Amino acid sequence: DIQVTQSPSTLSASVGDRVTITCRASQNIGPWLAWYQQKPGKAPNLLIYQASSLQGGVPSRFSGSGSGTEFTLTISSLQPDDFATYYCQQYYHVFLLTFGGGTKVEIK
Amino acid sequence: EVQLVESGGGLLQPGGSLSLSCAASGFTFSSYSMNWVRQAPGKGLEWISYISGSTTTIYYADSVKGRFTISRDNVKNSLYLQMNSLRDEDTAVYYCARLHHDFWSGYCDYWGQGTLVTVSS
Repeated sequence: DIQVTQSPSTLSASVGDRVTITCRASQNIGPWLAWYQQKPGKAPNLLIYQASSLQGGVPSRFSGSGSGTEFTLTISSLQPDDFATYYCQQYYHVFLLTFGGGTKVEIK
Repeated sequence: EVQLVESGGGLLQPGGSLSLSCAASGFTFSSYSMNWVRQAPGKGLEWISYISGSTTTIYYADSVKGRFTISRDNVKNSLYLQMNSLRDEDTAVYYCARLHHDFWSGYCDYWGQGTLVTVSS
C-alpha cells in the first residue's frame, strides 16, 4: 500500500505569512496527488489536483508543486479564510486512495 | 450545480446494520465513479469504497471489506452504502464524493455534507 505522510501536523502562522505544507509518498506516484481544505464541520474542498493544477474557483494564492515522492502546498499570503486543516491524497491507485494525516493551520 | 446529499446516519449498537444513501443532482450521475470516505471524530479522512459508473468495478478498504457493500442506482441518481457488523471504530462522518477521472485514476472533486454514524453500546 502507498503511504502518504504530511508535515507538519500543526502550523501556527499570521495573516500575510507564506505557508508551506509537505506531503511525502512511500513510493513514486508521479503527479497523482490532490490537496483539499477542510473547515470544522464541513466537507473537504478540492484545491489542487495532479500536483499543481488549481481547481476552478480556488484563489491563486494557493499553489502546488512536486512529483514522484515529494510534494508541497504553498499559500503565498495567508488570509483569515485560510485557517483550516489541509489534506493531501494520492490517487496513483484508484482502488486505494490514501490521505495524509492532515495539517492544521492555526492563528499565531 | 453539482449536489450530493447524504442521509441515513444514526446511533446504533455494535453488531448492528445501517444503510446510507447519497442523492446526486446537477450532473450525469451514470458517467461518474463514486466513493465513500469517512472521518472519525477529530481524525483524518479515510477512503473506504469505490464504485464505477457502470457498477462493474468495486473496491473496498481492508477495514470494511466483507462488512460493507457499495451500490448505486443510476435511474434514481443515488449511491448507497450498506453497513453490517458495525463496530465502535466505524463511528464517523460518512461522505459520498464524486470521482473526477484523471487518466487511470482520479480525485474527489465534489463532496456531500456528510452523515454521522455513531456505534456505541
